[in-house]
Amino acid sequence: RKEVEQDPGPFNVPEGATVAFNCTYSNSASQSFFWYRQDCRKEPKLLMSVYSSGNEDGRFTAQLNRASQYISLLIRDSKLSDSATYLCVVNKNTGNQFYFGTGTSLTVIP
Amino acid sequence: ETGVTQTPRHLVMGMTNKKSLKCEQHLGHNAMYWYKQSAKKPLELMFVYSLEERVENNSVPSRFSPECPNSSHLFLHLHTLQPEDSALYLCASSQDGGDNSPLHFGNGTRLTVT
Repeated sequence: RKEVEQDPGPFNVPEGATVAFNCTYSNSASQSFFWYRQDCRKEPKLLMSVYSSGNEDGRFTAQLNRASQYISLLIRDSKLSDSATYLCVVNKNTGNQFYFGTGTSLTVIP
Repeated sequence: ETGVTQTPRHLVMGMTNKKSLKCEQHLGHNAMYWYKQSAKKPLELMFVYSLEERVENNSVPSRFSPECPNSSHLFLHLHTLQPEDSALYLCASSQDGGDNSPLHFGNGTRLTVT
């Protein structure tokens, strides 16, 4: 079983829509969780960390469910500029063991 | 400069060439990484250095040779590569032992092996 699993999509949504991505992880000892955004032919960039109580940054909301071992990312009021691949990343031991999902592709359509 | 910088941005090399990729981080981190990303594939971890010691070598062929002279610099020496080694090579850094410390990536070197 993969350490981190994501639905690769693609997700094609109209501007203004709300879209949600889920990601599951296999190791219950995982400590830290992140969402990254990667534009075509560019490096991944940190979008937000995911905290146990859930956290919000503008139009983006991240949640963690330790019991079911998944994290989610909700994007409200989608913009054209949100089109990218979203990577779920899990850190196993608050150290240097990071595990990446395959990424979920999002295209926001005018 | 701030963040993680990589050079060169683009590299084309023949299979008999020897070249090196360079990475420098200005974030005061103590761990550095090399990742490979091939087209339409997830990131593959190649090497991890923590406190200048290699802590992971993820079954990478010996034609890739990393070097970490100090906590701010990381190199990837390349020799006798194959066309299937063409990919985006990403350097990253993090604070090993830091609570909830994410990876910070450089902008990558796009390598083409001819």
